[in-house]
Amino acid sequence: ETGVTQSPTHLIKTRGQQVTLRCSSQSGHNTVSWYQQALGQGPQFIFQYYREEENGRGNFPPRFSGLQFPNYSSELNVNALELDDSALYLCASSWGEGVWYEQYFGPGTRLTVT
Amino acid sequence: DQQVKQNSPSLSVQEGRISILNCDYTNSMFDYFLWYKKYPAEGPTFLISISSIKDKNEDGRFTVFLNKSAKHLSLHIVPSQPGDSAVYFCAASDFNKFYFGSGTKLNVKP
Repeated sequence: ETGVTQSPTHLIKTRGQQVTLRCSSQSGHNTVSWYQQALGQGPQFIFQYYREEENGRGNFPPRFSGLQFPNYSSELNVNALELDDSALYLCASSWGEGVWYEQYFGPGTRLTVT
Repeated sequence: DQQVKQNSPSLSVQEGRISILNCDYTNSMFDYFLWYKKYPAEGPTFLISISSIKDKNEDGRFTVFLNKSAKHLSLHIVPSQPGDSAVYFCAASDFNKFYFGSGTKLNVKP
C-alpha cells in the first residue's frame, strides 16, 4: 500500500508568481484535502476534492484553486503569490464512502515566498 | 475565528505516567473529532477518532473523551512512553470541512 506523496519537497517563489503543488493519494482513496500550515499553527483547511469535484472549501481566496485527476491525484495552484502564502502545504487523502473522516497526510511541501 | 483551540502549547510528563491533552471547540455542529500526532518533517498521523454521539473511545493506550455540554475533548495516553513525544493536534469535522487546533507539544521524559 503506497502512502500519500507530495512534490516538490521545498519551493522558493517570488511575490506575484504562480505555483503548482502536487499530491498522490494513498492507494484506494478517492478524496483529497489540502491544508496550509503556518509556523506554530495547526493546519488550515483550504479545500477538498471528491471524485474530481470540489466538495468543500475553507476561508481562502479564489487565487487558491485545485484539480483532482481520474487517478485521484491532485494539484493545488496558487496565483499572485503573497509573502503570507509562505507555509507548509499538506495534502491528505481518505476513502470518501467509508471512514471518510480518517485522513492520511503526506509529508508536505514547504513554500517560501520572497 | 478559531473554532478548535488547544490552550496548552506544551506538556511534559514522566515516562509511565498519564498524559492528558485538552481541546475546546465552539461549533456544536461538529460530527467527528480526531487526534493526530506529528513528528518533525512528517505529515500528521491519524491516532484516534470519536463520533459526536459517543463520549468515549479507546484504542490501546489511547482514550479520547468527549464532553459535549462543555464542548471539550481530551486525549489520555496511559502509560506514556518516550516515543509518544511529538506534537498532538485535535481536529473536528463539520461534514466535509476540517478544523485543527494549534497543537500541543508533548515531551515524555525517560
